[in-house]
Amino acid sequence: NAGVTQTPKFQVLKTGQSMTLQCAQDMNHEYMSWYRQDPGMGLRLIHYSVGAGITDQGEVPNGYNVSRSTTEDFPLRLLSAAPSQTSVYFCASSPRTPNYGYTFGSGTRLTVV
Amino acid sequence: GDSVTQMEGPVTLSEEAFLTINCTYTATGYPSLFWYVQYPGEGLQLLLKATKADDKGSNKGFEATYRKETTSFHLEKGSVQVSDSAVYFCALSGPSNDYKLSFGAGTTVTVRA
Repeated sequence: NAGVTQTPKFQVLKTGQSMTLQCAQDMNHEYMSWYRQDPGMGLRLIHYSVGAGITDQGEVPNGYNVSRSTTEDFPLRLLSAAPSQTSVYFCASSPRTPNYGYTFGSGTRLTVV
Repeated sequence: GDSVTQMEGPVTLSEEAFLTINCTYTATGYPSLFWYVQYPGEGLQLLLKATKADDKGSNKGFEATYRKETTSFHLEKGSVQVSDSAVYFCALSGPSNDYKLSFGAGTTVTVRA
């Protein structure tokens, strides 16, 4: 049982480039979310999804897009990378809502130069 | 909006010392409260949770009691080990929105042998 799998683990982008961070879970969880972790700021919610075909914005959605075409996958797209998007990104899933407790992926460390 | 505030670190302790990390929250109604732990180089893991007032969550020797009167959810452990060195995050969910989990800034704990 792999849980939540994130790829890649590390990525360096140039300003203006686009890329997709991948997230997949094999627990049949309905709820999936993306957070970014910055020093001294805890984790901030970017986007979340309560099921296939349904997504919504979190606290810091600007510059990011998501889609949820299947229950298993929830990719995060950076449209035009900026240095302010340098961060560690975590994908998390839960059976239905965060009240059930999250299972987190191991993270993607992104540097934008 | 709903938010949590936790004590700033870093906290450095000797093995077998008593650990307390303070967490207070602001929310209307009765949120669910959580403690997550992040070991070096890993994603976050759910440590314990409480969903209503006076509930006590416990796991791995850690405890936290949901105190409505003081809007607090302090984390405690009676005798820490080197393996408890990690970053600890307090978090809340709801009641205004069950689909968003709000995290505190995190407290870094280092336990020395």
